[in-house]
Amino acid sequence: GQNIDQPTEMTATEGAIVQINCTYQTSGFNGLFWYQQHAGEAPTFLSYNVLDGLEEKGRFSSFLSRSKGYSYLLLKELQMKDSASYLCAPEHSGSWGKLQFGAGTQVVVTP
Amino acid sequence: GAVVSQHPSWVICKSGTSVKIECRSLDFQATTMFWYRQFPKQSLMLMATSNEGSKATYEQGVEKDKFLINHASLTLSTLTVTSAHPEDSSFYICSARDRRPEAFFGQGTRLTVV
Repeated sequence: GQNIDQPTEMTATEGAIVQINCTYQTSGFNGLFWYQQHAGEAPTFLSYNVLDGLEEKGRFSSFLSRSKGYSYLLLKELQMKDSASYLCAPEHSGSWGKLQFGAGTQVVVTP
Repeated sequence: GAVVSQHPSWVICKSGTSVKIECRSLDFQATTMFWYRQFPKQSLMLMATSNEGSKATYEQGVEKDKFLINHASLTLSTLTVTSAHPEDSSFYICSARDRRPEAFFGQGTRLTVV
């Protein structure tokens, strides 16, 4: 099984940077996904990390440390539209495609 | 392509009736589809995994006789909530995958049982 831990809520102002941490424990690991979900909508894919290190994609970057069971999502130059829930989802090896999601971190961006 | 269409977007039904939700991959062939349920302010909970042409695999605690899943083709999976009750009211979301690592989600279906 998997044990996924991420903060419940984070607040930051427009233009700022926020880092959402995620720790996980899983027996067998393929990679880790981050998804964004606005209230009442379906999740949208942000990133997928397989190897250790930082992957940068525009304003969003994601980091993975496999040995530490740790990942973070970095949101830069925050915009109001970034207010959403961010879901961490480690992918268990041997269950390709099957994702178990963390509870999500609600990011609130204030003017 | 990466479009997954879920229908209906919302549905209200009477207690005791059944409701069918469709999930279609419009521009790719989905070898696997997943069904999730999400209660307000909670995370997505995986209900079942379905592969085309075979029986769905249900997560622990999910009643397979209550939540019927059919994956008849590489582009269509259906979830039928049988004998729905108010506690089944929730947001149901499907996702679909092909060879790419990421899953693509449908828009979700908000089910209200009255």
